[in-house]
Amino acid sequence: EVKLVESGGGLVQPGGSLKLSCAASGFTFSGSAVHWVRQSSGRGLEWLGRMRSKPHNYATDYATSVKGRFTISRDDSKNMAYLQMNGLRTEDTAIYYCTRHALAVVDFDDWGQGTLVTVSS
Amino acid sequence: DVVVTQSPLSLTLTVGQPASISCKSSESLAYSDGNTYLNWYHQRPGQSPRRLLYLVSDRDSGVPDRFTGSGSETDFTLTISRVEAGDVGVFYCMQGTHWPWTFGQGTKVEIK
Repeated sequence: EVKLVESGGGLVQPGGSLKLSCAASGFTFSGSAVHWVRQSSGRGLEWLGRMRSKPHNYATDYATSVKGRFTISRDDSKNMAYLQMNGLRTEDTAIYYCTRHALAVVDFDDWGQGTLVTVSS
Repeated sequence: DVVVTQSPLSLTLTVGQPASISCKSSESLAYSDGNTYLNWYHQRPGQSPRRLLYLVSDRDSGVPDRFTGSGSETDFTLTISRVEAGDVGVFYCMQGTHWPWTFGQGTKVEIK
């Protein structure tokens, strides 16, 4: 069974930093791209970025709204992915999901339960 | 970014009634490889989104054939032939043809 478990959310002040973790199991993590998606009442569901696997040189793509502030990384030896968030703003308040997807493959679409990040003074 | 617009934003239905949700994209979602990367998701209250359909109309495992996807280019539709109580929640379309992938605003379904 595929499992993605996020952790690290919490309350942070504007301008602060937070690092989220995603523990993956039930599949060959090293062969999969890992994505981060967030959901807020104000912005709905928003794709933040992805890191591809080693054969694709761990290439990353980011949404414009977080480029330069958020960084995705991974440790294939630990089956872990991370989202480093810097310069946090109140509008970054959301539930953050670690996800994996293949757009043209049946049943290849998995989400964690999410971790809540609140940016507030 | 590609803008994906859903309508209506909410539906109140009775069990057994059909339903239709529209999803319109600001750009064609037909990709150069011949595929159209349009997904439909369902999110029940308190749960993470679950994909129902991919490539416009292909169902993931366990998705009832009550759910049908159709459309091309910029106009897509999710049709539920007979709504059931378990369909409450929010339905989202999502395009994966253009980066960044983008979602529609969601259509909230309630059952009378």
